[in-house]
Formats: sequence, C-alpha cells, structure tokens
Amino acid sequence: DIQMTQSPSSVTASVGDTVTITCRASQGVRGFLAWYQQKPGKAPNLLIHDASSLQSGVPSRFSGSGSGTDFTLTIRGLQTEDVATYYCQQAVSFPWTFGQGTKVEIK
Amino acid sequence: EVPLVESGGGLVQPGGSLRLSCATSGFTFSTYWMSWVRQAPGKGLEWVAYINQDGSAEDYVGSVKGRFAISRDNARNSLSLQMNSLGAEDTAVYYCVRHKVAVRAFDYRGQGTLVTVSS
Repeated sequence: DIQMTQSPSSVTASVGDTVTITCRASQGVRGFLAWYQQKPGKAPNLLIHDASSLQSGVPSRFSGSGSGTDFTLTIRGLQTEDVATYYCQQAVSFPWTFGQGTKVEIK
Repeated sequence: EVPLVESGGGLVQPGGSLRLSCATSGFTFSTYWMSWVRQAPGKGLEWVAYINQDGSAEDYVGSVKGRFAISRDNARNSLSLQMNSLGAEDTAVYYCVRHKVAVRAFDYRGQGTLVTVSS
C-alpha cells in the first residue's frame, strides 16, 4: 500500500497568513492526488483534485501543486472559516490512502 | 448539494454483522463509481471499499477483505455495505461517497453513520 505522510501535523497561523501543507507519497502517484478539508464535527469536503485542480465552489485562496511523490496545499490569506483538518489522498492505485491529516488553527 | 443519506449504523457486539445503506437522489446514480470511507473516533480518514457503475468491479482495503461486501442497486439508487465479523477496530463513522466523474476523488459524501463494535 502507498503510505501518505503529511507535515506538519498541526499549524497555528494568523488571519491573512499563508499556510503550506506538504504531502509525501511512499511511491509515485503521478498527479492522482486530492486534498480534503474537514471542519470540526463535519464530513470532509473536496478542495483539490488531480494535484492542482480546484473543485467547483472552493475559494481561490486554496491551491495545490506537485507531482510524483511530493505535493503541497497552500492557503493564501488564511480566514477564520479555514480552521479545519486537511487530508491528502492518493488515487493512483487501490487501496486509496489518506495522509494522517494536518490541523490548521488560528493564532 | 447531492443528497447521500446513510443508515444502518448502531451498536453491535464483536463478531457480529451489520448492513449499512446509502440512499441517493438528485443525480444519475448508475453512472457513478461509489465508495465507503470511514473515520474512527478522533482519527483520520480511511477508504474502505469501492464499486464501479454496474457493480462488475469492486475493491477493498486489506483490513476488511473477506469480511465486508459492497453492493449497489441501480434501480433503487442505493449503495450498501455488508459488514461481517466485526471487531473493535471497525468502530467508526462510515461515509457513503460519490466519485467525481473522470476524476479520482470523492466529490460528495453523506453525513455518515456511526458503527460501534463493543460488548
């Protein structure tokens, strides 16, 4: 199975800051990488698919990049509503696997 | 929003069985891959099983292979997950999720149903 490792596990930043979350795969996943946001007590929502494609309705302050084994989710201009846990997920082969999550909090 | 409504969760004893269902509406169910994803209390997300549009292909995470069975009824727009030989490690919220067309990601999910395996 492909292991997905996210860093950091948590980040605390101020409103307006840029937050970067990285995701590393144990083997290449080409561009089959998605990012999800899960707000406290809620189900997860798709933010980014195919490493860099923004899901419809997602604010443009979210962006994704990377290919192969190293990927990044960037939040430019952090907002209070962005408090959540963020997960990466590879979809190059079953079993599709998620990273352990990165918790984003406001300072 | 695309309604996906899970049901069937509850408390079950170790070794027991449970069948989860997911009722869908508002989209052409028979044209979408579907999956189940679970989340143990306080833990991260885990993909559990997938099924293709006509039910001819499915796959499972290793820890549930041989115990869980995913199925679908395209006439009733519903997805199911039969879970047997349940253990404490299966305790989780189970989400019914829809795969985005031509994209390897989940674009819609239900609110989840809680399965608790305990004596």
